[in-house]
Amino acid sequence: AQTVTQSQPEMSVQEAETVTLSCTYDTSESDYYLFWYKQPPSRQMILVIRQEAYKQQNATENRFSVNFQKAAKSFSLKISDSQLGDAAMYFCEAKNSNYQLIWGAGTKLIIKP
Amino acid sequence: KAGVTQTPRYLIKTRGQQVTLSCSPISGHRSVSWYQQTPGQGLQFLFEYFSETQRNKGNFPGRFSGRQFSNSRSEMNVSTLELGDSALYLCASSFTGPKGGELFFGEGSRLTVL
Repeated sequence: AQTVTQSQPEMSVQEAETVTLSCTYDTSESDYYLFWYKQPPSRQMILVIRQEAYKQQNATENRFSVNFQKAAKSFSLKISDSQLGDAAMYFCEAKNSNYQLIWGAGTKLIIKP
Repeated sequence: KAGVTQTPRYLIKTRGQQVTLSCSPISGHRSVSWYQQTPGQGLQFLFEYFSETQRNKGNFPGRFSGRQFSNSRSEMNVSTLELGDSALYLCASSFTGPKGGELFFGEGSRLTVL
């Protein structure tokens, strides 16, 4: 069975510093997509960044970037210059060619002012 | 462009009752997926519909069911409610079918079972 593991239930970082959230996945598929979603307190879940497994280049969206290591099945999210608005639950998600959606348990990110 | 709309936002039921939740996707989106979110279990995938067909299903008992209409609106039903069904139920829509497409989430329906 496919699994997605987020080993850090909670992380904290000082404002303006950098933090990395970890995500590992297990799939036998060769064609899949990986996503990070953010759920701020009492607000809707929104997409942060996505990575296609066939692309070797790591995805980047402004202050958010991923470290995608396909062989190690690792997909970590790096947030640079952390801001108070980054405080949220972060979920890692994997989708395979059969449209199966597998989610990690989430990491609560706390930003210290 | 209107976002994903879920109704009702809050509801309270008692054990043994049944409940129906509704989700209206973003116009043009044909895929709708449903999730149960609880503090202890995180986000659990319930099922996904694409063009009125259930394409995938998570590991939930048969008390949880859903359907999608020709206008892509979707409903999920939970019968014979149990205390453990108390959760935030999220709906998400996607344009391409969720393989590589971004999911757009609604604000959720918070169900409390007494």
